Amino acid sequence: GQQLNQSPQSMFIQEGEDVSMNCTSSSIFNTWLWYKQDPGEGPVLLIALYKAGELTSNGRLTAQFGITRKDSFLNISASIPSDVGIYFCAGRWAVQGGSEKLVFGKGTKLTVNP
Amino acid sequence: DTGVSQDPRHKITKRGQNVTFRCDPISEHNRLYWYRQTLGQGPEFLTYFQNEAQLEKSRLLSDRFSAERPKGSFSTLEIQRTEQGDSAMYLCASSKGGHPANFGAGTRLSVL
Repeated sequence: GQQLNQSPQSMFIQEGEDVSMNCTSSSIFNTWLWYKQDPGEGPVLLIALYKAGELTSNGRLTAQFGITRKDSFLNISASIPSDVGIYFCAGRWAVQGGSEKLVFGKGTKLTVNP
Repeated sequence: DTGVSQDPRHKITKRGQNVTFRCDPISEHNRLYWYRQTLGQGPEFLTYFQNEAQLEKSRLLSDRFSAERPKGSFSTLEIQRTEQGDSAMYLCASSKGGHPANFGAGTRLSVL
């Protein structure tokens, strides 16, 4: 079955530092999504990517859809304490009438020291 | 817009009992999804509704699991004869199209 490898598993950084995390797949996806989950809450969608090579920003967050369609990257610039949480990548092979299933990675747990 | 609402937030039950969870999506969202999340893992897809029609079910969804969305608004997920392996966070999400953008806070199930 489809699997996503997300790395790193965890990161401990100082406030103000930049962060990079990535996700690789054994299968091709045509949609990549990045979510953030706070403790006791559901995931919140941060960025959606729909085309190979696409680079999309949302404030201090930037994500890229890898050219091979088997990977994606998320960068956070100038981290702040409220960036703490678990970041998940998710992929989907979305064709008309096809599966709506998202395949999630295991997450990257981010800790920001003030 | 009050977001996706799930009830209860926590459920403790004994093995063999039946449990039912409810999800109220954002109004006018025609798509509703159920996912399951265990500790240290990402969410796993269970099932998907478009309006009242259940269009997709994961192989993870055994015969003991059933989901309904009778009027295309709220949804229920029932687990019959619960097993300890059913212990997890059950997440509901909704969207107006495309992928789930809004997840609820989940129902945490503990099976003793």
